[in-house]
Amino acid sequence: AQSVTQLDSHVSVSEGTPVLLRCNYSSSYSPSLFWYVQHPNKGLQLLLKYTSAATLVKGINGFEAEFKKSETSFHLTKPSAHMSDAAEYFCVVSEYPFNKFYFGSGTKLNVKP
Amino acid sequence: EAGVAQSPRYKIIEKRQSVAFWCNPISGHATLYWYQQILGQGPKLLIQFQNNGVVDDSQLPKDRFSAERLKGVDSTLKIQPAKLEDSAVYLCASSFEGLDNEQFFGPGTRLTVL
Repeated sequence: AQSVTQLDSHVSVSEGTPVLLRCNYSSSYSPSLFWYVQHPNKGLQLLLKYTSAATLVKGINGFEAEFKKSETSFHLTKPSAHMSDAAEYFCVVSEYPFNKFYFGSGTKLNVKP
Repeated sequence: EAGVAQSPRYKIIEKRQSVAFWCNPISGHATLYWYQQILGQGPKLLIQFQNNGVVDDSQLPKDRFSAERLKGVDSTLKIQPAKLEDSAVYLCASSFEGLDNEQFFGPGTRLTVL
């Protein structure tokens, strides 16, 4: 069965410090993995995606994630947090050819000045 | 490229009333999804269409929710009658088929049931 576990429901960092949002997945097939961001009262925006190419994926706004098959992980990182990064982040897994997407429960990122 | 369009953006109704939401996916996207996102939670899939056929509606409360996608393009989601617990944001997304597929989301419709 496919599932996504976001290990932290809330993460709080100071501005300028690194960000780490953790995501583990289970999948019977070769998955595609995504991170979406949702700012308050806004829609879901794709940050980055992994689809069986390079395991280190760079996204928008300085975020990146590394696909580690042996650890079934796809953690999201950013070297230096900005106040505008405060939002909720969702890890999502899908499997070709089923075209179905499974969401994690989300991680709320708080950035302190 | 135009994104996924949804209307209305906001709706306030009283319980037991009916409401309908509309979604226009990105042109050429065969798959359309409706999600319900309750405040503080992640999106929950209500129904998935492939062209105009239903792929998955296992989490759709069929006694009150219905959805259709005529001609495999636009879709409507209806709630009749609404309950207080239906207050949520209803998200529509679409995707193309293929190895590098991803979902594209609309802005959502925020429903408040009083």
